[in-house]
Amino acid sequence: DAGITQSPRYKITETGRQVTLMCHQTWSHSYMFWYRQDLGHGLRLIYYSAAADITDKGEVPDGYVVSRSKTENFPLTLESATRSQTSVYFCASTSGHMNTEAFFGQGTRLTVV
Amino acid sequence: KNEVEQSPQNLTAQEGEFITINCSYSVGISALHWLQQHPGGGIVSLFMLSSGKKKHGRLIATINIQEKHSSLHITASHPRDSAVYICADAMNYGGSQGNLIFGKGTKLSVKP
Repeated sequence: DAGITQSPRYKITETGRQVTLMCHQTWSHSYMFWYRQDLGHGLRLIYYSAAADITDKGEVPDGYVVSRSKTENFPLTLESATRSQTSVYFCASTSGHMNTEAFFGQGTRLTVV
Repeated sequence: KNEVEQSPQNLTAQEGEFITINCSYSVGISALHWLQQHPGGGIVSLFMLSSGKKKHGRLIATINIQEKHSSLHITASHPRDSAVYICADAMNYGGSQGNLIFGKGTKLSVKP
């Protein structure tokens, strides 16, 4: 199916565990992003990638790791989950060309207990 | 630092009313996005504009580059328009459109 998909949609994990959230897009978009959405803060950038093997930190990168070995995939790993990482995570992609849309995944609701 | 401010934060309207949501940004943009998020739902792109005005059905988006201001209008509002509306400023990375800087959103509730 064409589009951008995230998995899992919902995840409950324990403090200290490693968790990986997956993001896959089928458009071969250059740019991919991970955001977290929290009440009172809106959407904040965790990491982004301008192309395969190119990643950079966003506003709130601590405790997260990303990789982008293939253009279509951009996994986000919480190395040792903390309760403060309980959030809704959105992946997005854009071609990077001026005046083009951004597309968002459906989100992953992560609860760290 | 680029900041994106939206107003109002919350908006309640009666079905049929004309609605305006405002967005101001502090830095020159490559593109301004308007997004919609229904409760518990994903984020959908409504408009992307860098000048002028765009219309899609009952939704109209305008932007004034000089004043660094954009508005989203909903005509003949309907309860199904109830959602959070988010504006986002697209950063310009050397001619490429990159990261989005988001406003905190406007929660719209349309009563029947």
